[in-house]
Amino acid sequence: NAGVMQNPRHLVRRRGQEARLRCSPMKGHSHVYWYRQLPEEGLKFMVYLQKENIIDESGMPKERFSAEFPKEGPSILRIQQVVRGDSAAYFCASSPKVGETQYFGPGTRLLVL
Amino acid sequence: KNQVEQSPQSLIILEGKNCTLQCNYTVSPFSNLRWYKQDTGRGPVSLTIMTFSENTKSNGRYTATLDADTKQSSLHITASQLSDSASYICVVSGNSGYALNFGKGTSLLVTP
Repeated sequence: NAGVMQNPRHLVRRRGQEARLRCSPMKGHSHVYWYRQLPEEGLKFMVYLQKENIIDESGMPKERFSAEFPKEGPSILRIQQVVRGDSAAYFCASSPKVGETQYFGPGTRLLVL
Repeated sequence: KNQVEQSPQSLIILEGKNCTLQCNYTVSPFSNLRWYKQDTGRGPVSLTIMTFSENTKSNGRYTATLDADTKQSSLHITASQLSDSASYICVVSGNSGYALNFGKGTSLLVTP
C-alpha cells in the first residue's frame, strides 16, 4: 500500500507564474489536508477536502490560492501569480476518516524567484 | 490563539543516551495530542497519540506523557540511536479533529 504521494518534490517558479501541486492520498483515504511550512516555522493548516468537496478552507489565503479534490485523480493545490512569500514546503496528508491519524506525504518545496 | 510551544529548540546528545523533549499547549478545547518525527526532507510520521484521558503512551523506545490539567506533554527517547536524528513535533488537535496545531519542533542530533 503506497503512502501519500506528492509531486513534484521541488518546484521553481518566477514571480507571477502559476504553481500546481499534486497529492495522491493513500488507497482507501477520502480525506485530504494541505499544510504549509514556512522556513523556521511549524506546519500551518490550509484546507481540508473530502472527495469533490471543500470542507474547511479557513487556513488558506482567500486570494490566489485554490484547492480541489476531484472524483477521479489527485488533489490539486493551485497558487496563481506566485510571490516570493509563497516559497515554502507544502505538505499533503490523508486519513480514512476525519479525526483519525493523518499520514503525510514527502512535501513539495516551492521556490519563487 | 491556539499555540503549541516546544523546548528545547535543538538538542545534541551522544548515541545511547536518553533525552526528554517538552511541549506546552494552549489549544482549547482539546481533542488529542500527537508526537510526530520528521526526517530532513520528508513528511512527518506519527509516533504516538493520546487523548485527554491518557497520561502515558509508549512506542518502542519512545514514551510520551500528557498532563491535561497543566497542558504539558513530554516525549522521552531511551537508548538513542543515530537514526533518531530528526525534528520531533508536538501536534495538538482541537474539537474539529482535523485542523492540527503544530509546534515548531525540537531538532535532535544524535552523535556517535
